[in-house]
Amino acid sequence: QIVLTQSPAIMSASPGEKVTLTCSASSSVSSSYLYWYQQKPGSSPKLWIYSTSNLASGVPARFSGSGSGTSYSLTISSMEAEDAASYFCHQWSSYPFTFGSGTKLEIK
Amino acid sequence: DVQLVESGGGLVQPGGSRKLSCAASGFTFSSFGMHWVRQAPEKGLEWVAYISSGSSTIYYADTVKGRFTISRDNPKNTLFLQMTSLRSEDTAMYYCARDSGVGLDYWGQGTTLTVSS
Repeated sequence: QIVLTQSPAIMSASPGEKVTLTCSASSSVSSSYLYWYQQKPGSSPKLWIYSTSNLASGVPARFSGSGSGTSYSLTISSMEAEDAASYFCHQWSSYPFTFGSGTKLEIK
Repeated sequence: DVQLVESGGGLVQPGGSRKLSCAASGFTFSSFGMHWVRQAPEKGLEWVAYISSGSSTIYYADTVKGRFTISRDNPKNTLFLQMTSLRSEDTAMYYCARDSGVGLDYWGQGTTLTVSS
């Protein structure tokens, strides 16, 4: 199965800071089938980015996604307090579908 | 509005069985594939199972294959997860989620399963 490794596991950022979260795959993932989810404590996950770089409905434009093959990233151009959450990458490129272990993003 | 409401969680003894349900509303249930995803306490997300809209395609995670069965009742807009031979490591919040074709676009609020003696 494809293992997704996210880094860092935990990070904190100041308001206005640029943030980049990475997701590394053990085998190549089709960019069409790489997704990111945001989850806040006590809440269900939300689809955040689909097919590597497309923002889900309602996601602020300061978020972006990129990558190909085995390396993917989620970037926040300017950190805001509401962006503090856990972010999980997810692949449907091959069965079994897998999630990364997540990055917990905190606000300084 | 799209709604997914899970139920059926609770406390089960190791080796026991449980059936989870997910009631769907606000969309044409029979047109969408569905997933179960779980999250152990303070842990990340783990994909569990997938069923296509007409039940012709089913996939399971290796950790549950042979013990869990995903099914659906389209006329009743309900998704199920039958779980047997439960282990402590199955303790988690279980979410159902809609497969939009480009991601899991709607998730339920989850139902908690605790496997303990």
